[in-house]
Amino acid sequence: QITLKESGPTLVKPTQTLTLTCTFSGFSFSTSGVSVGWIRQPPGKALEWLAVIYWDDDQRYSSSLKSRLSITKDISKNMVVLTMTNMDPVDTATYYCAHGGGYSYGFDQWGQGTLVTVSS
Amino acid sequence: DIQMTQSPSALSASVGDRVTITCQASQDISNYVNWYQQKPGRAPKLLISDASNLETGVPSRFSGSGSGTDFTFTISSLQPEDVATYYCHQYHDLHSFGQGTKLEI
Repeated sequence: QITLKESGPTLVKPTQTLTLTCTFSGFSFSTSGVSVGWIRQPPGKALEWLAVIYWDDDQRYSSSLKSRLSITKDISKNMVVLTMTNMDPVDTATYYCAHGGGYSYGFDQWGQGTLVTVSS
Repeated sequence: DIQMTQSPSALSASVGDRVTITCQASQDISNYVNWYQQKPGRAPKLLISDASNLETGVPSRFSGSGSGTDFTFTISSLQPEDVATYYCHQYHDLHSFGQGTKLEI
C-alpha cells in the first residue's frame, strides 16, 4: 500500500524560502519507473503542477516557477524535499505530493496535502 | 507548455442523468490523460488513467475516452455521492491540469 504525507510550515513570511517534505512508504526510488511530484492548489482554485523527480534523479519543473523551485530525494529516508524561494501571498495554497510511474505516467496516489499560508 | 482546456467549469445535473466533461489539449498528447475526482477538503482521487482505463474499485458508471487532443469523461448515471470537482491531467510532456469542473446536483 502506497502512502505519502506532506510536512512543513503552515505559515511563512513574504520573501522567505519554503521547504516541504514528502515522506512516503510502499515504494522505493531504488526501483526503476518511480517518480514523486508536487502539485499545489490555491484556496478555491485549480490544481497546478510544480515539479517531479524520477528514480534516475532526473528533475523537471513547471516553466513558470522553474527559477524558484528545487526538488531532491533521499532514498535512505524515503523522502522528497521541495524548496520554493521568494514566497509571496499568491503562493498560499495546499501543497500535495503524489506518487507516479516513470516518464509518461501520471500520479496515482496522493498525500493528504498541507496548507501553507504566506503572510507577514 | 501543453494547455488543457476543460469545459464546462460548472455543471448542475439531476440524479440519474448522464454527465459529460471535455478536455482539449493544445497539442497531440496521444492517450496520456488522467481524470481525477476531488471532494471538498480532500486530495484528488484517480478515476481514469491513460484516457480510458478505469482504476480498480472505481464504479463502472465512470468512463473516459479520446486520444490526440480531445478527451471526454462521462458519468453514465449520476449519483448523489458524485458531487465533486473533476480534473483532467496530461502527462505526455511534463504535467498540466485542466481548470476543473464543479459538479452539483
